Amino acid sequence: EPEVTQTPSHQVTQMGQEVILRCVPISNHLYFYWYRQILGQKVEFLVSFYNNEISEKSEIFDDQFSVERPDGSNFTLKIRSTKLEDSAMYFCASSGHYGYTFGSGTRLTVV
Amino acid sequence: GDSVTQMEGPVTLSEEAFLTINCTYTATGYPSLFWYVQYPGEGLQLLLKATKADDKGSNKGFEATYRKETTSFHLEKGSVQVSDSAVYFCALTITGGFKTIFGAGTRLFVKA
Repeated sequence: EPEVTQTPSHQVTQMGQEVILRCVPISNHLYFYWYRQILGQKVEFLVSFYNNEISEKSEIFDDQFSVERPDGSNFTLKIRSTKLEDSAMYFCASSGHYGYTFGSGTRLTVV
Repeated sequence: GDSVTQMEGPVTLSEEAFLTINCTYTATGYPSLFWYVQYPGEGLQLLLKATKADDKGSNKGFEATYRKETTSFHLEKGSVQVSDSAVYFCALTITGGFKTIFGAGTRLFVKA
């Protein structure tokens, strides 16, 4: 069964550093998403991306965040200057006509 | 706005007990409804889904029925196992929309 692949599975970074989280969506999906789950809390929508542009974003997705589809297969989330409160599990997802699939997540720890 | 409300946990059951986790929703459009499961230290796995009223989603002994009249999608399992211990999230996606809205999650502990 097709999967959404996220790398790395765990990343530790120092406060103030830039991080890029990577995702390979399912190949025939056209919609891409990032979600965040702070430890022990609910899963929160960050941003959706379609046709090479952001289609919707939440108030969490401020100027520190950006998304990009640099080539035909990858979808990235960049955090420009990480803060301690950015520590969370970040999930990528993609959707198409027949379904909506989440990746297994990247655990980001900001120290 | 659109939202999902599910019962607070943790829920603690003995093995072979009957499980119900309540979920209700508010939606401006016509949603598809989902249950996701998250095992300790892992990501989100789709457990089951229903896309229209009166549909029943089922998987691994779990079931949930899309009840439009009560705006509910309660998760049930007749006999839980220790391996079912996880966090369960109810969620919705509005048809034609872009994002999934999650409930707060319900942690289930099953004792042997």
